Amino acid sequence: EAGVAQSPRYKIIEKRQSVAFWCNPISGHATLYWYQQILGQGPKLLIQFQNNGVVDDSQLPKDRFSAERLKGVDSTLKIQPAKLEDSAVYLCASSPPRFAGRETQYFGPGTRLLVL
Amino acid sequence: AQSVTQLDSQVPVFEEAPVELRCNYSSSVSVYLFWYVQYPNQGLQLLLKYLSGSTLVKGINGFEAEFNKSQTSFHLRKPSVHISDTAEYFCAVSDEAVKAAGNKLTFGGGTRVLVKP
Repeated sequence: EAGVAQSPRYKIIEKRQSVAFWCNPISGHATLYWYQQILGQGPKLLIQFQNNGVVDDSQLPKDRFSAERLKGVDSTLKIQPAKLEDSAVYLCASSPPRFAGRETQYFGPGTRLLVL
Repeated sequence: AQSVTQLDSQVPVFEEAPVELRCNYSSSVSVYLFWYVQYPNQGLQLLLKYLSGSTLVKGINGFEAEFNKSQTSFHLRKPSVHISDTAEYFCAVSDEAVKAAGNKLTFGGGTRVLVKP
């Protein structure tokens, strides 16, 4: 089966510009996660969706970050305006809907963002 | 709140030598435990996971890990490494009580393994 798809793979922008990342989860996966991975650190959850509803966005900087999953399939994460400290890899992950297996997340290749 | 500590940020090791990556966690509830590997410019790939049962878990690529509840540890081992094992390794935990919407992962800071010929 196809894995989690993300685009673009790389993005360079200047501070105060806006940027958007796209994620298409594994087919049939109801839960979708966005993580931020700053260089030298482990990933940190930004937002979690179940179908098209938000389950957890407690770590999302809502003054500049937004995310949506309108049809319960693919998702977009946006940053506006970007700051230097937003330079990171943005990872998307998904997990299966069935009870057995729901604990395991499958990750996409990530989008590497550099803010200048 | 949960936290994960990976005690070594970098581990250099010679090819065909054994390696152990240490992971300790803190949680007020029972947890599931995971090890992921990240190759350069790639996403995270699941190596192995502990959900229940035997505390010795075997994963892909010859890796294994042992869950020690009393020491709140989940150390990763491989008896003989290859050059291709050069990567960053992340330990992660989630709540054992799997919610209908899935559980978030809390990651450690990662251990960079450099395998030398």
